[in-house]
Amino acid sequence: DTAVSQTPKYLVTQMGNDKSIKCEQNLGHDTMYWYKQDSKKFLKIMFSYNNKELIINETVPNRFSPKSPDKAHLNLHINSLELGDSAVYFCASSQSTNTEAFFGQGTRLTVV
Amino acid sequence: GEDVEQSLFLSVREGDSSVINCTYTDSSSTYLYWYKQEPGAGLQLLTYIFSNMDMKQDQRLTVLLNKKDKHLSLRIADTQTGDSAIYFCAEGSGGYQKVTFGIGTKLQVIP
Repeated sequence: DTAVSQTPKYLVTQMGNDKSIKCEQNLGHDTMYWYKQDSKKFLKIMFSYNNKELIINETVPNRFSPKSPDKAHLNLHINSLELGDSAVYFCASSQSTNTEAFFGQGTRLTVV
Repeated sequence: GEDVEQSLFLSVREGDSSVINCTYTDSSSTYLYWYKQEPGAGLQLLTYIFSNMDMKQDQRLTVLLNKKDKHLSLRIADTQTGDSAIYFCAEGSGGYQKVTFGIGTKLQVIP
């Protein structure tokens, strides 16, 4: 029944590693997003995809690479992880770019 | 650039009304949103208001918008312990990806 699901929920990894976070939505939405929520709870958009096409790519290091194999999935791959990447990453989806978004439960990434 | 500001913390007694305030800077905002984040959970859209509206009521929630002052508020009537969460104000203009979030107000409800 989960609308937007992310895996894993928790991820602890060492600096320099490469990791991926997966996101899937079963709502039939066309648009998917990745948000980063830092330790101060500040929420900022990273990427937006509409029908598998990249729409928004905010100022994010190119170590972060989103991949959308189909409309229902938007995965986030991070290379050469740094301490500052520690945050909660939220995936979201919306019917279109102009409607409210539904969020996943978040993935807490801790880089040690 | 766009900016959204909120106070960080609000504490109320159960049964009282809560008012969470937010100010934004983008005068071209079309939509203004309130999201709720419970511990360990994703963000849940509570309500939203179009910029051409002054007020919107939805059960215990009342949203007031003062477009001239760029001030948005969320009033929760008869606040319950289950309302304890972080509330995010957000503004958007013509497309969700342009939404800017505030830092969130942590609401603590005291039994």
